[in-house]
Amino acid sequence: DAMVIQNPRYQVTQFGKPVTLSCSQTLNHNVMYWYQQKSSQAPKLLFHYYDKDFNNEADTPDNFQSRRPNTSFCFLDIRSPGLGDAAMYLCATSRDLGQGRETQYFGPGTRLLVL
Amino acid sequence: DAKTTQPNSMESNEEEPVHLPCNHSTISGTDYIHWYRQLPSQGPEYVIHGLTSNVNNRMASLAIAEDRKSSTLILHRATLRDAAVYYCILRDPYNQGGKLIFGQGTELSVKP
Repeated sequence: DAMVIQNPRYQVTQFGKPVTLSCSQTLNHNVMYWYQQKSSQAPKLLFHYYDKDFNNEADTPDNFQSRRPNTSFCFLDIRSPGLGDAAMYLCATSRDLGQGRETQYFGPGTRLLVL
Repeated sequence: DAKTTQPNSMESNEEEPVHLPCNHSTISGTDYIHWYRQLPSQGPEYVIHGLTSNVNNRMASLAIAEDRKSSTLILHRATLRDAAVYYCILRDPYNQGGKLIFGQGTELSVKP
């Protein structure tokens, strides 16, 4: 039973060509997160939504944006992908904002290749 | 944010217990200790968390030192499917967004 679904699993785009990655959840969680994980590195948070409230991490490049049209779906838009944006993009959800105890549920990730 | 230190890699034999250490000497009194693992080509997966007392669940046990400056994730019988990168993460309940700050983790390999 998939709970956090990411499509596609692999995405190839061209340098500078906008690309959108999708995430959906069946958990009805309030919070959705996007993480970037480059090769041999740990995941790094880009931003998150608490319901419709968007929270950007201070060091997330402007090139990355997100949309959450409803509770179930969240999109990651990369306006002009560069070679350095090739990475695994992970979507995660949690029932609520962190009170220390909250568990995050991750999708399988979308691996982005930029040519 | 309080940081954690883990060995880069560890090896284990199948069906033997594995003890994965984590040092967090700057932990605050309200930080929760979380463990996630990431199997190859998959997203991270929650394993266990605790605050002060030792914790058990179906996946693992978490042993927390009395001074909370270190903890150990215990896999009671390692299987080949447990080969993954294990992340020890401190979570601050007052940190808006509940973000997980991943360190480099410990890459666990399991030999048959």
